[in-house]
Amino acid sequence: NAGVTQTPKFQVLKTGQSMTLQCAQDMNHEYMSWYRQDPGMGLRLIHYSVGAGITDQGEVPNGYNVSRSTTEDFPLRLLSAAPSQTSVYFCASSSTLSGASGGISTDTQYFGPGTRLTVL
Amino acid sequence: QQPVQSPQAVILREGEDAVINCSSSKALYSVHWYRQKHGEAPVFLMILLKGGEQKGHEKISASFNEKKQQSSLYLTASQLSYSGTYFCGTENFGNEKLTFGTGTRLTIIP
Repeated sequence: NAGVTQTPKFQVLKTGQSMTLQCAQDMNHEYMSWYRQDPGMGLRLIHYSVGAGITDQGEVPNGYNVSRSTTEDFPLRLLSAAPSQTSVYFCASSSTLSGASGGISTDTQYFGPGTRLTVL
Repeated sequence: QQPVQSPQAVILREGEDAVINCSSSKALYSVHWYRQKHGEAPVFLMILLKGGEQKGHEKISASFNEKKQQSSLYLTASQLSYSGTYFCGTENFGNEKLTFGTGTRLTIIP
């Protein structure tokens, strides 16, 4: 199993350019998500998906689009890159965990290696 | 809304103990703990569910106070390999939206 793969590993964009960060997993996980990591800010959730065809916004969704047409892939699109989007981007996937109290939680998150994006 | 972690940073000598805290203003269903080494992706440590269930590494212990919406991660007899940044993540009941805190940087010195 390759786990979670992300491409590219590094990318430099100019302000206003668009691009797609790719994320794929081969573990048949229904849950996938995108985080950005900035110094002192921790991991901030951008978008997430609980299954093919279902996506929802996280804490910082502005400027990003996602779609989930297959279980395996969850691409993140930057519509018009801005310097504020300079960051390290992590994709993660997991299955779900059912608790005895009737709730459902995400299970162990498997993170990809990250994409370091610089917007000039 | 991001959970709040404390302390922001801690320095320990090898063999000492540490406690990292995580709190939320909202009712929680689950708390997740991860460790990240510099330049690497976060790695799973533990999940604690409302009701007392846990999943995680044998050498890691944590608690979840459901009434106070707080969790603590206990690192005992610290080793050099424990160094890194620790993140707690939280989910509310009925919402599989895992939100992480800003992290606690742990440095272990010989």
